[in-house]
Amino acid sequence: DADVTQTPRNRITKTGKRIMLECSQTKGHDRMYWYRQDPGLGLRLIYYSFDVKDINKGEISDGYSVSRQAQAKFSLSLESAIPNQTALYFCATSEGRTEAFFGQGTRLTVV
Amino acid sequence: GQQVMQIPQYQHVQEGEDFTTYCNSSTTLSNIQWYKQRPGGHPVFLIQLVKSGEVKKQKRLTFQFGEAKKNSSLHITATQTTDVGTYFCAGPDRDDKIIFGKGTRLHILP
Repeated sequence: DADVTQTPRNRITKTGKRIMLECSQTKGHDRMYWYRQDPGLGLRLIYYSFDVKDINKGEISDGYSVSRQAQAKFSLSLESAIPNQTALYFCATSEGRTEAFFGQGTRLTVV
Repeated sequence: GQQVMQIPQYQHVQEGEDFTTYCNSSTTLSNIQWYKQRPGGHPVFLIQLVKSGEVKKQKRLTFQFGEAKKNSSLHITATQTTDVGTYFCAGPDRDDKIIFGKGTRLHILP
């Protein structure tokens, strides 16, 4: 089983719909991240959490929200999806400021 | 805010040629990390450098961390088709969150 699991792996949704992307990890790490990947733009940070009670905005948080339900679970929500949120989304975990472990990614298409 | 910049954005090389990607941070980094993302895959950690001037090797890959701990490079000797992918550098910013460069996409011509 993967250390970091993202669901769903692929999703097509309509403009204006609410959608939640889920992430769970078995690494036992406190830190969890949500990144968005677009061609040529690298990995941009959406939100991050250093423990269950800690939630922080990243570089591109507008239009997104997160929930840290437990140490192992960190979900990303799009309250009202728009087409320019079409992207590849990655969840990652780390132990401190070192090596990040990534999930397989969720490919989201908003039509 | 703090930024991590990478050049080049794309690189095409003939199989067997060498390849180098460069990473520069706007501020001093406590460490620099390198990741590889294969086409259709997710980023996978390659290595972390911590010390000023540090050099590490993994087979044909050589990683360097600058003396000022603001820049780094990844050099691949005699590229192979298995080297195809996007290489990212990353590091913790002043808030300790890990930020990534935009990556260098490597294409290998047979």
